Amino acid sequence: GEDVEQSLFLSVREGDSSVINCTYTDSSSTYLYWYKQEPGAGLQLLTYIFSNMDMKQDQRLTVLLNKKDKHLSLRIADTQTGDSAIYFCAESTEDSNYQLIWGAGTKLIIKP
Amino acid sequence: NAGVMQNPRHLVRRRGQEARLRCSPMKGHSHVYWYRQLPEEGLKFMVYLQKENIIDESGMPKERFSAEFPKEGPSILRIQQVVRGDSAAYFCASSGTSMLEQYFGPGTRLTVT
Repeated sequence: GEDVEQSLFLSVREGDSSVINCTYTDSSSTYLYWYKQEPGAGLQLLTYIFSNMDMKQDQRLTVLLNKKDKHLSLRIADTQTGDSAIYFCAESTEDSNYQLIWGAGTKLIIKP
Repeated sequence: NAGVMQNPRHLVRRRGQEARLRCSPMKGHSHVYWYRQLPEEGLKFMVYLQKENIIDESGMPKERFSAEFPKEGPSILRIQQVVRGDSAAYFCASSGTSMLEQYFGPGTRLTVT
């Protein structure tokens, strides 16, 4: 079946890099997404990567995809207090490019 | 700002009442998706609509839940005879024709007492 797994919490010091990991089981994934959810707010699309790519960089964000291991990561360079949020990994598959399958989210905690 | 709008942001209903959740998509978007988020879980797809059409309702519970997206006005997610288990955050997203990028509203947090 389809499953997307994330660890629930990650704590990093301000200024360090954060690496949030995600694993998925469906080998027919087409796109993989990272969304950010701040307290009481909706979800903000951060970035997404096509499953045939292995890396995508956008300013402080780097997405790495290891398709063989079905492992996706989001690296945030120079983590700031404004990066405190829950980060969701999601995938779309060949069966449906709109019916996103979501992880439970990783809460990023920034230590001063 | 023509982002996705949802109202109300918070809704409290007693068991047995009806809940109506509204979603206005981003300007220029004609595809609307509804998701439900239970506490400490990821989102679960419920339904995908275009104007006046339900395209995919495979994630909707078979009873008590319905959705519409009329020609004029917002999309409505309707929950009849609410039960405690319906308490959740309900998110609406919209996209253009590519569907690759779904933009989310702030959600409606439904509490059933």
